[in-house]
Amino acid sequence: KQEVTQIPAALSVPEGENLVLNCSFTDSAIYNLQWFRQDPGKGLTSLLLIQSSQREQTSGRLNASLDKSSGRSTLYIAASQPGDSATYLCAVRKYGNKLVFGAGTILRVKS
Amino acid sequence: GAGVSQSPSNKVTEKGKDVELRCDPISGHTALYWYRQSLGQGLEFLIYFQGNSAPDKSGLPSDRFSAERTGGSVSTLTIQRTQQEDSAVYLCASSFDPGRDIQYFGAGTRLSVL
Repeated sequence: KQEVTQIPAALSVPEGENLVLNCSFTDSAIYNLQWFRQDPGKGLTSLLLIQSSQREQTSGRLNASLDKSSGRSTLYIAASQPGDSATYLCAVRKYGNKLVFGAGTILRVKS
Repeated sequence: GAGVSQSPSNKVTEKGKDVELRCDPISGHTALYWYRQSLGQGLEFLIYFQGNSAPDKSGLPSDRFSAERTGGSVSTLTIQRTQQEDSAVYLCASSFDPGRDIQYFGAGTRLSVL
């Protein structure tokens, strides 16, 4: 059974810091990995999707890496801003098209 | 529409009643997914549709839960004889290509069973 773990569970940083969120998964046979953000009371917004054949994806201040063999992904946020405060979720897609989610990292960026 | 639309946004019901939750996917998206987000449980997969067929129903927690999709578009998730443990946010997502594409999520329906 695929399990996804995210560390840390919560993180509080001052504005301007670079930070790293970690995601690990137990079964390396995945099709892709997706990072989402969720704001309170809202749905999920997709940030980055990394196919199993890729090593990383970048979008603006966000960079996600994937090491399938070791079952790890990291989301790097550069020059964090208060608007980045949200819950960040990592999800892997294995067979059957469903996503298996981690519990998330709650990020707070203080101004 | 521009995004995945879910209705109602909030639903309060009494234990034992049936509820229907609706999802309008992004136009042209063939794949549709239902997930549930409970306090302390995280996000759990419920069911996946490809067109009007549901090849993966493995996440439905009991036979009180069912879902259908008509015309390859709108989907309805029905919960019969609701229980307090059914209280959660029910999220719907759609994607153009189920094999490789990003899943786009709606804002969810918050269900409270009293």
